[in-house]
Amino acid sequence: AQTVTQSQPEMSVQEAETVTLSCTYDTSESDYYLFWYKQPPSRQMILVIRQEAYKQQNATENRFSVNFQKAAKSFSLKISDSQLGDAAMYFCAYRSADDMRFGAGTRLTVKP
Amino acid sequence: NAGVTQTPKFQVLKTGQSMTLQCAQDMNHEYMSWYRQDPGMGLRLIHYSVGAGITDQGEVPNGYNVSRSTTEDFPLRLLSAAPSQTSVYFCASSYLGGGVYNSPLHFGNGTRLTVT
Repeated sequence: AQTVTQSQPEMSVQEAETVTLSCTYDTSESDYYLFWYKQPPSRQMILVIRQEAYKQQNATENRFSVNFQKAAKSFSLKISDSQLGDAAMYFCAYRSADDMRFGAGTRLTVKP
Repeated sequence: NAGVTQTPKFQVLKTGQSMTLQCAQDMNHEYMSWYRQDPGMGLRLIHYSVGAGITDQGEVPNGYNVSRSTTEDFPLRLLSAAPSQTSVYFCASSYLGGGVYNSPLHFGNGTRLTVT
């Protein structure tokens, strides 16, 4: 079975600084997709960024970018110029034709 | 533009009671799914559906039933609630064009269920 591991239960960053959240996954499939979701205290799940496994180019969305290392099965999220509104739980997720797996999450605190 | 609507937002049940969590989406998404979120464990897939009349089990299906009679609705049934089912439940849907799974999930706002 596929697994998704987020090894950092909590992270903190100073406002305007950069932080990287780690994610590794295990799968034997070749066709899959990876996502990062954000969950603020409101409990709403919000898509941050997505990556197709067949694409070598790392995805970027404004201040958010990923470092996708397919051979190492690693999918880290970099947040640049951190803002107070970035404070939330962040979940890494794996999706294939018959499965959807989430990591346990990383709680990000942003210090003013 | 409602998106994914879950009801109720909160529910308290006694052990052995039954109930149905409702989920409806107005985006004409083929794919719908249910998750439970427990502290320290992220979200785990309970059941999913790729279209009306088609359902399948996820990672933690025991104790839950689903059906998909229409594209819009995907209710989750607890036939005999147990304290271990205390959790936050999320419904999510997505587009499934050509069987490609890169479309992001659209989530409802969740239901907090407590079983005493």
